[in-house]
Amino acid sequence: KAGVTQTPRYLIKTRGQQVTLSCSPISGHRSVSWYQQTPGQGLQFLFEYFSETQRNKGNFPGRFSGRQFSNSRSEMNVSTLELGDSALYLCASSSQGTVTEAFFGQGTRLTVV
Amino acid sequence: AQSVSQHNHHVILSEAASLELGCNYSYGGTVNLFWYVQYPGQHLQLLLKYFSGDPLVKGIKGFEAEFIKSKFSFNLRKPSVQWSDTAEYFCAVNAGANNDMRFGAGTRLTVKP
Repeated sequence: KAGVTQTPRYLIKTRGQQVTLSCSPISGHRSVSWYQQTPGQGLQFLFEYFSETQRNKGNFPGRFSGRQFSNSRSEMNVSTLELGDSALYLCASSSQGTVTEAFFGQGTRLTVV
Repeated sequence: AQSVSQHNHHVILSEAASLELGCNYSYGGTVNLFWYVQYPGQHLQLLLKYFSGDPLVKGIKGFEAEFIKSKFSFNLRKPSVQWSDTAEYFCAVNAGANNDMRFGAGTRLTVKP
């Protein structure tokens, strides 16, 4: 069974640009969550999608957005990039229901210069 | 708002020492509790989880955790650490029906050979 796949693995962007990150969940998983991981802040929850609907959102500005497609694949978009957006962005998928565990991808390392 | 606190930012131990990493959460309802580990250069992996039943949970690689509801705690333990346990450890809480998983800031464990 294939794991969670995130593309690209590494990305370098310039301030002011926008970026789109992609996540393919484990087959059959309908929930996809996104996290930002930085050395100082740890893992911070961005948002969670379930069956193409955003179910939960963390405390990030509106520059961070996402969507989920009918095949459960998800994309995350960050507009007007800032230096502080440099981080490892992790995607996690889980099956539906309240008793679930998350399976993580390798992440996309975004560097904003 | 639901939050997770990990008390130790960086723990340094010698091989064969005992380990206990603290985790407290702030949510009064039913919770699902997790410990994840991130080895250097690898993705987050599940160590163990608690959903219900016996509050002493055993996970992989000799780790265990105890859920103490009255203290809102879920501390991770290992009787004798090995050099290969060097990693970052994250406590996570999933509360309610919305699959909103929140992580602690992480504890970096360094085991000296």
